[in-house]
Amino acid sequence: GQNIDQPTEMTATEGAIVQINCTYQTSGFNGLFWYQQHAGEAPTFLSYNVLDGLEEKGRFSSFLSRSKGYSYLLLKELQMKDSASYLCAAMDSNYQLIWGAGTKLIIKP
Amino acid sequence: GAVVSQHPSWVICKSGTSVKIECRSLDFQATTMFWYRQFPKQSLMLMATSNEGSKATYEQGVEKDKFLINHASLTLSTLTVTSAHPEDSSFYICSALPGTSGYNEQFFGPGTRLTVL
Repeated sequence: GQNIDQPTEMTATEGAIVQINCTYQTSGFNGLFWYQQHAGEAPTFLSYNVLDGLEEKGRFSSFLSRSKGYSYLLLKELQMKDSASYLCAAMDSNYQLIWGAGTKLIIKP
Repeated sequence: GAVVSQHPSWVICKSGTSVKIECRSLDFQATTMFWYRQFPKQSLMLMATSNEGSKATYEQGVEKDKFLINHASLTLSTLTVTSAHPEDSSFYICSALPGTSGYNEQFFGPGTRLTVL
């Protein structure tokens, strides 16, 4: 079956670094997405990886290992506004997104 | 670019009535649109995939006669919740897949919060 696993909740301190892990199993693979979702709002796109390696975009970076079925989202210099749910989603061979349950990130001062 | 709108943003209706939600791609043509439902503290659940000019493909467990989807043009898809009941109260989100997207990114609408009394 198809499955996405990511931690339910994480807590970090303002100014610190946090890594949110995601493992996936899909029928075929057309890329791994990370989205940010604040409560009551739709998801917003953060990153897309289809090749192995690290993609850096400002304070956020995303890593992919296709052989391990593994990705992580790295958030640096955490700000209070980064408190949100982070959704990992893998695109299968039919170009459908298989969604993880999301990781709720709590930032403390 | 790549903006998707939804209307209405929120709606409250009586049990037994029908509600129509519109999803529009404002600056691109969307060959495929997706409809999701999200309950509180849960992830997105794909309800159906809608391709312009053809019937929608519904996910297992989603009643096609209750959730009517019409993708009449390359910029508009509608979801009609028929005979709504309180258990249909949820956050409904659409996304659109541009036909020429370089990396298969879906662009999400802002969502519609439906409350059925």
